[in-house]
Amino acid sequence: AQSVTQPDIHITVSEGASLELRCNYSYGATPYLFWYVQSPGQGLQLLLKYFSGDTLVQGIKGFEAEFKRSQSSFNLRKPSVHWSDAAEYFCAVGAGDYKLSFGAGTTVTVRA
Amino acid sequence: ETGVTQSPTHLIKTRGQQVTLRCSSQSGHNTVSWYQQALGQGPQFIFQYYREEENGRGNFPPRFSGLQFPNYSSELNVNALELDDSALYLCASQLDRKAGNTIYFGEGSWLTVV
Repeated sequence: AQSVTQPDIHITVSEGASLELRCNYSYGATPYLFWYVQSPGQGLQLLLKYFSGDTLVQGIKGFEAEFKRSQSSFNLRKPSVHWSDAAEYFCAVGAGDYKLSFGAGTTVTVRA
Repeated sequence: ETGVTQSPTHLIKTRGQQVTLRCSSQSGHNTVSWYQQALGQGPQFIFQYYREEENGRGNFPPRFSGLQFPNYSSELNVNALELDDSALYLCASQLDRKAGNTIYFGEGSWLTVV
């Protein structure tokens, strides 16, 4: 069964600074990988996804993620954060079956 | 907007009662999944329906059940509510059950069991 670990529970970053959120997955074959963002009291919005091909994936809101098979990682990055990026971020893995397995999430706080 | 709508947005139930949560998927999406998100945790897969049949189930007891209708709507039913059922319930739709398809989430239904 697949699983996801997000090692950082909470990250605080200054507005304009870069952001990197870590995600490690466990799965025996090539997984499908996703990053979702959740604002307080809201549902999940898809930021980006990796299925195959280019390991550097571009998403919405200026986010990108890089799939590294050798490290079983799919880290999310943004070069310059905005106050509106404060939210909860979830990494998820899907495999050949029907479900997504989510990590516990990373809360991002943006300070002025 | 994801095109997935859920109702009600918030509700409070008493332990032992039953609840029905509703979801309207994007038109043409024949696959719907339900997830439970407890406070401070990531979503947990409950089950998936494909063309009105259950297509897979997570580690949830039988008192969690579902229905999917031909008009792209679906329901999550929970019987004999327990305090630990308090959570955000998310509906997710996708074009079909092929792994890797983009999954669109609704904004969820907040259930509080007292």
